[in-house]
Amino acid sequence: GAVVSQHPSWVICKSGTSVKIECRSLDFQATTMFWYRQFPKQSLMLMATSNEGSKATYEQGVEKDKFLINHASLTLSTLTVTSAHPEDSSFYICSARGAAKVVQFFGPGTRLTVL
Amino acid sequence: GENVEQHPSTLSVQEGDSAVIKCTYSDSASNYFPWYKQELGKGPQLIIDIRSNVGEKKDQRIAVTLNKTAKHFSLHITETQPEDSAVYFCAARPLLSGGSNYKLTFGKGTLLTVNP
Repeated sequence: GAVVSQHPSWVICKSGTSVKIECRSLDFQATTMFWYRQFPKQSLMLMATSNEGSKATYEQGVEKDKFLINHASLTLSTLTVTSAHPEDSSFYICSARGAAKVVQFFGPGTRLTVL
Repeated sequence: GENVEQHPSTLSVQEGDSAVIKCTYSDSASNYFPWYKQELGKGPQLIIDIRSNVGEKKDQRIAVTLNKTAKHFSLHITETQPEDSAVYFCAARPLLSGGSNYKLTFGKGTLLTVNP
């Protein structure tokens, strides 16, 4: 299957700081990228969907000013958690889908811990 | 919107036995059903998918069946091995042409444990 990478794989930061997570599709052009959050022993919760060159569409209850998403190219999307707080600690996973709009591939995830 | 129910939440089998995980969905517009395997601390990995024009699909020890009339689909793993131990998620989504951002709706997951 296609490869999606994320960086960093884990990050620890102090409360009030901002953290940027990168998501890259390595061997295909990702026309649509998704960002999910997953708490322990729970399912994946979709945060937002973005198309290359367009503003992201956020799910209900997700603060767009807190979780900034940029999808500037067909291979890169970034999620910036601004002014992070301990309740933002979670496993963040990106996902990408190509122009055929069928299969959706997931990255390895980023573990964010906010102290 | 779509609602996907997944059962059981946990499943423990002996190595070599078969494992079956079942999902139901509510939206008749859904016609794409992928299954993902997630190991601890990792992202979900697509293991098999099925579209509504097919009733069954098989890939080595893994098979998926779909009953669109009853709105349910199942994952079957035969000859289970310890490395099959993971959380499995089913999902559903409309598969239509066009530019819409059709979203996957996930089940809550099944923790499969294969005992040696």
